[in-house]
Amino acid sequence: GESVGLHLPTLSVQEGDNSIINCAYSNSASDYFIWYKQESGKGPQFIIDIRSNMDKRQGQRVTVLLNKTVKHLSLQIAATQPGDSAVYFCAPNQGGKLIFGQGTELSVKP
Amino acid sequence: DAGVIQSPRHEVTEMGQEVTLRCKPISGHNSLFWYRQTMMRGLELLIYFNNNVPIDDSGMPEDRFSAKMPNASFSTLKIQPSEPRDSAVYFCASSPWTGWSNQPQHFGDGTRLSIL
Repeated sequence: GESVGLHLPTLSVQEGDNSIINCAYSNSASDYFIWYKQESGKGPQFIIDIRSNMDKRQGQRVTVLLNKTVKHLSLQIAATQPGDSAVYFCAPNQGGKLIFGQGTELSVKP
Repeated sequence: DAGVIQSPRHEVTEMGQEVTLRCKPISGHNSLFWYRQTMMRGLELLIYFNNNVPIDDSGMPEDRFSAKMPNASFSTLKIQPSEPRDSAVYFCASSPWTGWSNQPQHFGDGTRLSIL
């Protein structure tokens, strides 16, 4: 089966700094990975995805890195803003099913 | 564009009552997923449909839970009879299913269910 762990349950950063959220997964057969952001009272919001044939993908202010050798992903947020405060989930996709971990809560200090 | 629409947003009812949660997926999406989120267990997949057909219901907790998708634009999750331990936020998500390429799931804002 798939289990997902996160290195830090909470992360506090200063506004303007870069944030790095890490995620470990266990199943080497996972071939697609999604990062979601969940704000209080809302559903998970798609941020960025990456397929297993890539090791890096960039979006607007976000970069996802995938290291299949050690089964590790990271989400980098550049110039973190107060609006980035939320819980972030990485979700490996296996056979059409997403496996969610507990998430990392990002707090941005003004 | 309209996202995934869930109703009601909040539901409070007494144990033993029937609860029906509703979901309208994004138009054109042919995969639909029901999740439950609690502090203790996080986000759990309950069931998902492809082209209105249930594919995997292994996450449905017990026979009190049932889900239907009568057409491409509507799904229900029913709990009968409800119990206090069913209290959670229930999310519906949809995605386009290509059969050969994974696509991201897009979530609604959930139904917060409280069973007294």
